[in-house]
Amino acid sequence: DTEVTQTPKHLVMGMTNKKSLKCEQHMGHRAMYWYKQKAKKPPELMFVYSYEKLSINESVPSRFSPECPNSSLLNLHLHALQPEDSALYLCASSQGLGGGQETQYFGPGTRLLVL
Amino acid sequence: AQRVTQPEKLLSVFKGAPVELKCNYSYSGSPELFWYVQYSRQRLQLLLRHISRESIKGFTADLNKGETSFHLKKPFAQEEDSAMYYCALPTGGYQKVTFGTGTKLQVIP
Repeated sequence: DTEVTQTPKHLVMGMTNKKSLKCEQHMGHRAMYWYKQKAKKPPELMFVYSYEKLSINESVPSRFSPECPNSSLLNLHLHALQPEDSALYLCASSQGLGGGQETQYFGPGTRLLVL
Repeated sequence: AQRVTQPEKLLSVFKGAPVELKCNYSYSGSPELFWYVQYSRQRLQLLLRHISRESIKGFTADLNKGETSFHLKKPFAQEEDSAMYYCALPTGGYQKVTFGTGTKLQVIP
């Protein structure tokens, strides 16, 4: 399996809801990433996990909570989001030896709408 | 500061015409630069990277350290090349990648 998968594809949630985004890869990659992408903008890094440990948090609000249960799985827990958090959330993975120098493999994204 | 700049938001060319998507960077040292592409309704994917020196789908990119550029070129544009193209480089001490603002390439039939 050479793809990064993300579920769900679409998510609509209210500001008081709690939901989770899921990302999975079976390429043996040890680095995984969450990005946020607004329309017509580049992806913005949110979090980096390296060998299942959080290595970078780009000052993301605490209403976004990442979790890496194992080397193949990455979750993003959402709670009390704001309408401006509506975006495409991308997951990516790379081999894990040196984040910025590696090719990243992206999932198709979860399109999130916060009402 | 490490930075990557793509000056064109939109580039429109006719089918068969040459294409050059511009990317300039500021970086101390020898950067590893990437071009990623996002076709309509498809996932973001690597097109090519500096270190591999490959030609992918007819595209090439040469690192010019004197001009701090990594422009993406193709001699003859095809309709299927229409997409959003992002230049990217490592930042934050090699821990992450920062993407440029992107250039939308529109190939006119």
